[in-house]
Amino acid sequence: NAGVTQTPKFRILKIGQSMTLQCTQDMNHNYMYWYRQDPGMGLKLIYYSVGAGITDKGEVPNGYNVSRSTTEDFPLRLELAAPSQTSVYFCATRPTTTWRAGEAFFGQGTRLTVV
Amino acid sequence: RKEVEQDPGPFNVPEGATVAFNCTYSNSASQSFFWYRQDCRKEPKLLMSVYSSGNEDGRFTAQLNRASQYISLLIRDSKLSDSATYLCVVGGYSTLTFGKGTMLLVSP
Repeated sequence: NAGVTQTPKFRILKIGQSMTLQCTQDMNHNYMYWYRQDPGMGLKLIYYSVGAGITDKGEVPNGYNVSRSTTEDFPLRLELAAPSQTSVYFCATRPTTTWRAGEAFFGQGTRLTVV
Repeated sequence: RKEVEQDPGPFNVPEGATVAFNCTYSNSASQSFFWYRQDCRKEPKLLMSVYSSGNEDGRFTAQLNRASQYISLLIRDSKLSDSATYLCVVGGYSTLTFGKGTMLLVSP
């Protein structure tokens, strides 16, 4: 099993460009998340999804969009990239049961620099 | 009050030392609690879940005090390989909230 796969691993964007960060999981987890981590800081939630067709905003959604058409895929779209979006982006999944949600499993991250 | 607060450190300890990390959380409705480890420029990985009764995994012991909204992690007999950032994580049913992490540096 690959687990959680993120592509690309690295990317340099120019201000105003757009891109999509891909996240795919083969763990059949319902919950998926996008976090960003700035240097020396904690992880901040951008968007999350509790299942196909359902998405919700996290703490820092401005400048981003997501979609969840399948259980496996949860792409993150950056429109009009800005230097403030320079960060490491992590995708994560989480299994759920009827009574609790378990621990999160992370992809290896995408390091994005906007210049 | 921040949702999940940790002392950022760094904690500098010699090999073989015992070190303790603390964490407080603000949402009394939180349901699940974890410690994650993050190595430099890597993704976070689960170290251990934290249960109300306390739990141990080898050299690592975690405690949860729901009344005080306080979580702890104790590492005994520190190894060089324990050098990392330790993230306190608190979960509701839908989301997980991460502390900023406590950096541990173990020296020979």
